[in-house]
Amino acid sequence: AQKITQTQPGMFVQEKEAVTLDCTYDTSDPSYGLFWYKQPSSGEMIFLIYQGSYDQQNATEGRYSLNFQKARKSANLVISASQLGDSAMYFCAMREGRGGGFKTIFGAGTRLFVKA
Amino acid sequence: DTEVTQTPKHLVMGMTNKKSLKCEQHMGHRAMYWYKQKAKKPPELMFVYSYEKLSINESVPSRFSPECPNSSLLNLHLHALQPEDSALYLCASSQARTSGGFRESTDTQYFGPGTRLTVL
Repeated sequence: AQKITQTQPGMFVQEKEAVTLDCTYDTSDPSYGLFWYKQPSSGEMIFLIYQGSYDQQNATEGRYSLNFQKARKSANLVISASQLGDSAMYFCAMREGRGGGFKTIFGAGTRLFVKA
Repeated sequence: DTEVTQTPKHLVMGMTNKKSLKCEQHMGHRAMYWYKQKAKKPPELMFVYSYEKLSINESVPSRFSPECPNSSLLNLHLHALQPEDSALYLCASSQARTSGGFRESTDTQYFGPGTRLTVL
């Protein structure tokens, strides 16, 4: 069974608008971390934001925020005021604290296109 | 500073060549990783080194040989590759933090820019 699910293969957003990229996860480990990475066409995976399973508040980093709904096992990325440079592939990922060791589980990714 | 560097950026090699990919980090991280990524797919873990010792080998063919000379450097030696090995090879590092004997879920990986490998 997939542990990280990103159901949107591609998304379009108008410049300066907000966009939400969906991510659901599945784990029985009480301790886990959720990550979002951005991968432009150049190839580098850029770390954006982290949310821990015990964190009480949603994580925010500049224009990025994570809408963490633990009961629904969802960790959606919200990008506010989209910019042309936000066009990229976005991966949701999870690391399990007890059973995961060094392994990070990646979703299939969502390709975001920002229109001028 | 969260920089991981990789050389070369691009590599084209024949199936009989021997080449090496290099990765370096100066963040004091003690875990380093090699991933392989095909187009439009997520990265696939190949190897993990923790404190300079091989911790994970994800059943990677022996034509890929990793090496960790010290805590800052990670190499991937390539020999007798196949065209299907053409991909983006990403290096990453993390602090390798543990808590209660388990790897901490907060252990964030930072990636390098990757090497685009083409095998002819």
